[in-house]
Formats: sequence, C-alpha cells, structure tokens
Amino acid sequence: SQELEQSPQSLIVQEGKNLTINCTSSKTLYGLYWYKQKYGEGLIFLMMLQKGGEEKSHEKITAKLDEKKQQSSLHITASQPSHAGIYLCGADGGGSYIPTFGRGTSLIVHP
Amino acid sequence: ETGVTQSPTHLIKTRGQQVTLRCSSQSGHNTVSWYQQALGQGPQFIFQYYREEENGRGNFPPRFSGLQFPNYSSELNVNALELDDSALYLCASSLRTGRGETQYFGPGTRLLVL
Repeated sequence: SQELEQSPQSLIVQEGKNLTINCTSSKTLYGLYWYKQKYGEGLIFLMMLQKGGEEKSHEKITAKLDEKKQQSSLHITASQPSHAGIYLCGADGGGSYIPTFGRGTSLIVHP
Repeated sequence: ETGVTQSPTHLIKTRGQQVTLRCSSQSGHNTVSWYQQALGQGPQFIFQYYREEENGRGNFPPRFSGLQFPNYSSELNVNALELDDSALYLCASSLRTGRGETQYFGPGTRLLVL
C-alpha cells in the first residue's frame, strides 16, 4: 500500500518568514492533493497536482510535484498567523482508488 | 464552507454500542468517502460509495458499514464500538469525472467511546 511521509512533523516560524513542507510517496504519484486542517475540524482543499513538474499557487502558497522523486513540496511565502494549522498531503491510488494521507505537518506562526 | 455537512458534531458512546453518523454531500456530487482520523494522525480511508454502491474499502472490519442514498446523503454505521474507535470521522464528497477528483470535506463528527 502507498505511504506518504511528511516532513517536518511540526514547524514554528516567525510571521513573515518563508517555509517549506515536503511530502514523499513510497509509490508512483498519480495525483497529489494538499489540504489544510484547523485543529479538530474538516480538511480544506488547497490544490491538486497531477503532472510531473506541475506547479500551482494559491495566494501565498505554492506547491510543486516532482514525479521522478515521488515528492511534492508546499512553500509558504511571508507566512502569516492565518496560515497556522495542519497541512496534509493526500494521494489517490491510481487505478484502485484507495486514498492515502500523510500524518500532517503542524504549523504555528508567531506574530 | 465546502457545502458538506455532518451530524452530529460530537457524540459519546459506551463500548459495545452502535452508532450512526450522517453526511450530506455537496450538491451534484455522486461520490462520498468516509475517513477515520485519530489524534495526531492523518485521515484513514474507511470506504467510498459511488452512485449508492460501495466502490472501495480500506483496512476496516465489517462492523464499519455504510449507505449512500439517492439524494447523495450517506451514513456510516459502526457496530460493537471499541475504545479505539474514538476519533474524528470525516466524510468527503466529490464528483467523479475520470480526470481526478477533488474531495470536499465536512467538518467531522468527533466520537468518544468510553
């Protein structure tokens, strides 16, 4: 079964700093999703990446997919307290749809 | 707001009891998935329903069952509750187009089994 490893597990940054979260898959990535979750709440869809080399942006958040490395990175520029939460990467299973999620990266942004 | 709602928001049960959780999908979505999320973990896939048929199942025992209705609302039923069933239960609706699906999650139901 596919496994997604996220790093770091947690991150504490000062407001205004840039940061990167990584997600590495144990198998080929057919589709990679990034979500944000506030503690104890549902997941908010951020973006989906489907092709190697694809890069998407949503406000100050940019995600890239490196298909060869089976890896995706999420980059936040000039972080703000509103960016705080848990960031999760998720992947579908290709032909057999068994979605998998990483354990999440907890982000705290100090004002 | 994702347009996906879940009820109840919180629930306390005792070991051995049965529970039914409900999800109302986003309008027009034909697929619903259920997940279990333990504290500090990512969501674990329970199963998925597509047009009222089970379409995929994760590593959960048969006491976890579900239904999807013609109006695309759905239920997750758990029998013979165990302490380890305490978790946040999330449903997610999506529209299957064959070109990748974006799942829209509800706020979750937090279940505590005592």
